[in-house]
Amino acid sequence: GQNIDQPTEMTATEGAIVQINCTYQTSGFNGLFWYQQHAGEAPTFLSYNVLDGLEEKGRFSSFLSRSKGYSYLLLKELQMKDSASYLCAYSNYQLIWGAGTKLIIKP
Amino acid sequence: DTEVTQTPKHLVMGMTNKKSLKCEQHMGHRAMYWYKQKAKKPPELMFVYSYEKLSINESVPSRFSPECPNSSLLNLHLHALQPEDSALYLCASSRTSGDQETQYFGPGTRLLVL
Repeated sequence: GQNIDQPTEMTATEGAIVQINCTYQTSGFNGLFWYQQHAGEAPTFLSYNVLDGLEEKGRFSSFLSRSKGYSYLLLKELQMKDSASYLCAYSNYQLIWGAGTKLIIKP
Repeated sequence: DTEVTQTPKHLVMGMTNKKSLKCEQHMGHRAMYWYKQKAKKPPELMFVYSYEKLSINESVPSRFSPECPNSSLLNLHLHALQPEDSALYLCASSRTSGDQETQYFGPGTRLLVL
């Protein structure tokens, strides 16, 4: 079957670092996406990993381990505007979405 | 430019109304998607168009009728909706429908069915 899990909610402090994990189980896999979604708005693309390892894009980095069915999104130097939901989704003919992690940033 | 536009932003309709949601992109993408998203839930795929042909219909009720008039436009015609159809309707596009392609989302239409 297809299954993808991420924590429901996380809290972090402005200026700190936070890691949002995503685990999945699937027989077919063609990469993993991370999207950011502010409340009431559309998801915006953050990153795509298809090979194992770390992809860095400014303050955001994403990691993938295909053998472990595991990815994480790392956010550094947190800003208040980073308060949002973060959705991971793996691709297997179509995107299979996690339920999203609501990230709350406190001053 | 990775812009996908959607109109209207908000829509309130009765259960007997007929309305249409519109989506447009000018990135030359050949795949376009409709998703439905309820609060605090991930997007649910409804339809996929690839090269203006319907390629995926995720068992969506017939009261939702998609249309792709050309490669830049995607419509969703609504008729006889139910209150449980109230949701955020998202349009997305990607270069092709290959599952390694990044999908870019429009701002969504927030629909309320009374």
